[in-house]
Amino acid sequence: QLQLQESGPGLVKPSETLSLTCSVSGGSISRTSYFWGWIRQPPGKGLEWIGHIYYTGTSYYTPSLESRVTLSVDTSKNQFSLRFSSVTAADTAVYYCARYCSGFECKAIDAFDIWGQGTMVTVSS
Amino acid sequence: SYVLTQPPSMSVAPGQTARIICGGNNIGRESVHWYQQKPGQAPVLVVYDDDDRPSGIPERFSGSKSGNTATLTISRVEAGDEADYYCQVWDSSSDRGVFGGGTKLTVL
Repeated sequence: QLQLQESGPGLVKPSETLSLTCSVSGGSISRTSYFWGWIRQPPGKGLEWIGHIYYTGTSYYTPSLESRVTLSVDTSKNQFSLRFSSVTAADTAVYYCARYCSGFECKAIDAFDIWGQGTMVTVSS
Repeated sequence: SYVLTQPPSMSVAPGQTARIICGGNNIGRESVHWYQQKPGQAPVLVVYDDDDRPSGIPERFSGSKSGNTATLTISRVEAGDEADYYCQVWDSSSDRGVFGGGTKLTVL
């Protein structure tokens, strides 16, 4: 059964870069029809789509965050990563990685069908 | 940018039916997906493509769409259905993904 697990520092200083990794187990990240995405949720607030990436490197970003976000994928490690630059307290949130269905192999096209448990990241000095 | 509008909260008695709405311009042309998020947990997909259910999701959960509004219906509501519910679409005109603001369902 496919599982996703986020990892990274729980505390980041303002103006620094937040880096998170999502490890995929129970299946290949290189499988066609699936992208790999990041979603965040500030405390007490709703979900915000950050972006998603295909194993080839093709990626999509939410416009409001695009200038500060970089997604990457490492097929040899079956992992994908998020880098978020120049963070402020407003970037404090639970960050989730999730599988995004985008092709003929999957049923829930254009939906996130499997999620990681999430990791809390606090931006504070 | 594309916006999905949900009521912030609603309440329903056990055994009754909850209908959670999600509004958006031209939502009729996009597939709408719904997630359930219980406190301290990751979201779970409960309805996809307007009205389909992933395996393992009870039949009490169903989806529909009419005009510019999509609806998640939970029949015979149970205490365990108390959660936040989010709608989501991929806006094909702008090539971007959007979540609704979420609806907190309280079971009385």
